[in-house]
Amino acid sequence: EVQLLESGGGLVQPGGSLRLSCVASGFTFSSYAMSWVRQAPGKGLGWVSSLSGSGGNTYYADSVKGRFTISRDNFKSTLYLQMNSLRAEDTAIYYCAKDRDSTGYDNWYDLWGQGTLVTVSS
Amino acid sequence: DIVLTQSPDSLAVSLGERATINCKSSQSVFRISNTNNYLAWYQRKPGQPLKLLIYWASTRESGVPDRFSGSGSGSDFTLTISSLQAEDVAVYYCQQYYNTPPTFGQGTKLEIK
Repeated sequence: EVQLLESGGGLVQPGGSLRLSCVASGFTFSSYAMSWVRQAPGKGLGWVSSLSGSGGNTYYADSVKGRFTISRDNFKSTLYLQMNSLRAEDTAIYYCAKDRDSTGYDNWYDLWGQGTLVTVSS
Repeated sequence: DIVLTQSPDSLAVSLGERATINCKSSQSVFRISNTNNYLAWYQRKPGQPLKLLIYWASTRESGVPDRFSGSGSGSDFTLTISSLQAEDVAVYYCQQYYNTPPTFGQGTKLEIK
């Protein structure tokens, strides 16, 4: 079955860290760029980061640059998002999404996960 | 960043009737080099992941019913459901991928009247 399954969300204090994972199945993972998109409570969808299929090119939203790191393990068909120096405004459901090609930019997303909730609060 | 504004925020349509959702971009998402509009549409049903419906503004994703259609060019786009079915109750989003960061509309909630 073609699907994406996120995990790793939870409650973390401001300034803390969290690592999200997204396991892919049903397609050739290394052939596609992957992205993280989030949705804060009561807010719209916001792109966070993208990573090319090879893992060589990364792209970040200004709001997370320097704090978040996207990576992938193509052997494990897994995408990661390491989130450091977390802030209250990072509270959101984080979705993993499959890009339509391998580049990581100028893309729509043709497969989405169910999301994992990250709550940043003391 | 390109801002996408959807209208209306919510919509109630009778079964079998036409539903129309609009998406206006703060700048053109049409690329002259390949004559493509860099706009996609998604559907989110309750409890389900987002589903791609349309890309390149008017190309239907494989498996999407043909009652869904996309139109428009430049900075004004429309998603039309020609004959609303009960299973179409969802929130619909547009997204531009013309440049980075990709951005999304705020969503339109579609209900049955």
